[in-house]
Amino acid sequence: DAGVIQSPRHEVTEMGQEVTLRCKPISGHDYLFWYRQTMMRGLELLIYFNNNVPIDDSGMPEDRFSAKMPNASFSTLKIQPSEPRDSAVYFCASSYGGGNTEAFFGQGTRLTVV
Amino acid sequence: GENVEQHPSTLSVQEGDSAVIKCTYSDSASNYFPWYKQELGKGPQLIIDIRSNVGEKKDQRIAVTLNKTAKHFSLHITETQPEDSAVYFCAASMNTGFQKLVFGTGTRLLVSP
Repeated sequence: DAGVIQSPRHEVTEMGQEVTLRCKPISGHDYLFWYRQTMMRGLELLIYFNNNVPIDDSGMPEDRFSAKMPNASFSTLKIQPSEPRDSAVYFCASSYGGGNTEAFFGQGTRLTVV
Repeated sequence: GENVEQHPSTLSVQEGDSAVIKCTYSDSASNYFPWYKQELGKGPQLIIDIRSNVGEKKDQRIAVTLNKTAKHFSLHITETQPEDSAVYFCAASMNTGFQKLVFGTGTRLLVSP
């Protein structure tokens, strides 16, 4: 397996624009996690899915953030409208069995909102 | 909810020295404690983990210890090498309902030749 695949690797957008980040988890994994990493706040869990169903979105900072998982092999994280404070590296991770098993991370999407 | 604190935030050692990173957690129900290594431009990668029924686990130059009474766990790297330079994250997870992994703030380890 190629591992968790995220796209794009880098995204630069203007404030107010819509941004969509994409993730393909490892085949067979039943959990998918979206994390945000910043210098100030470290690694924050935004939302996670189990069998394509959102379980806990309490980490989603605002209504501007939304995430979907239409099928077992694809998930999106959308920010609309984007703001400069959303600039961060966004990671997608997947695992088999939940938070107490190994999570495999993608290489991340570096988002810059200007 | 769970809160994980990690120290130090940065650690510089000479090649061949040992490095120790410490973490504390708040929720006594947590029972899974992984350590992740993040190299520049990459996502975190699991290097070792320990569960609450074990006090110590070793894998070559890396070891993790767990003290459930004190609610702290530590990563020990012996005979450090320049390729050990990276950011290391501890984490804790509860095994109740749908598990959620909470990360520490990270330790930047620099190993000088």
